Amino acid sequence: DAGITQSPRHKVTETGTPVTLRCHQTENHRYMYWYRQDPGHGLRLIHYSYGVKDTDKGEVSDGYSVSRSKTEDFLLTLESATSSQTSVYFCAISAGQGNSPLHFGNGTRLTVT
Amino acid sequence: GQQLNQSPQSMFIQEGEDVSMNCTSSSIFNTWLWYKQDPGEGPVLLIALYKAGELTSNGRLTAQFGITRKDSFLNISASIPSDVGIYFCAGRVPGTASKLTFGTGTRLQVTL
Repeated sequence: DAGITQSPRHKVTETGTPVTLRCHQTENHRYMYWYRQDPGHGLRLIHYSYGVKDTDKGEVSDGYSVSRSKTEDFLLTLESATSSQTSVYFCAISAGQGNSPLHFGNGTRLTVT
Repeated sequence: GQQLNQSPQSMFIQEGEDVSMNCTSSSIFNTWLWYKQDPGEGPVLLIALYKAGELTSNGRLTAQFGITRKDSFLNISASIPSDVGIYFCAGRVPGTASKLTFGTGTRLQVTL
């Protein structure tokens, strides 16, 4: 565990409600990422951050927004949850220097009913 | 987006056997990473490769960065029950330091 805490670990919510997932790191790493993991698709990048208030979209960003007001926290918000957003969400961090590898948290399992 | 083909998708092997899995890309990568994921946990980094032809070991695990820069393989020697899990390859295209592309995983099951 690379000093990454995701909360909550499990959540069930209803279609149409907003949901926020939190990622907290203690490594002071510059880069933070949100991925979703679905059967048959592997891990797909939703959004990432390269510094406080600096974020960019990944390959599956529609329906998601992110915020990073502090180095240690990266929030993922589902503005209006849909059943297609039922997934396991992983936060990852990297030092961001050259080809630094990513280190992952233990995930949040989200079910949208 | 990038395409990463990982094979095999799953494999059953007997304890003590050697295992081999590989990934191929439609693009040239400058980084290959191999991760293992246990149920209910996040992927854990096993091996990182940064140069074409590089061969790196981590205990019973050995991985190589292909000469063409479009492929990589992971070998596990003398498998044991705790090797069970899903193994993912991931690669990074030059100039995209912040983004990794992941393979769809190889599920490994070991029988005694």
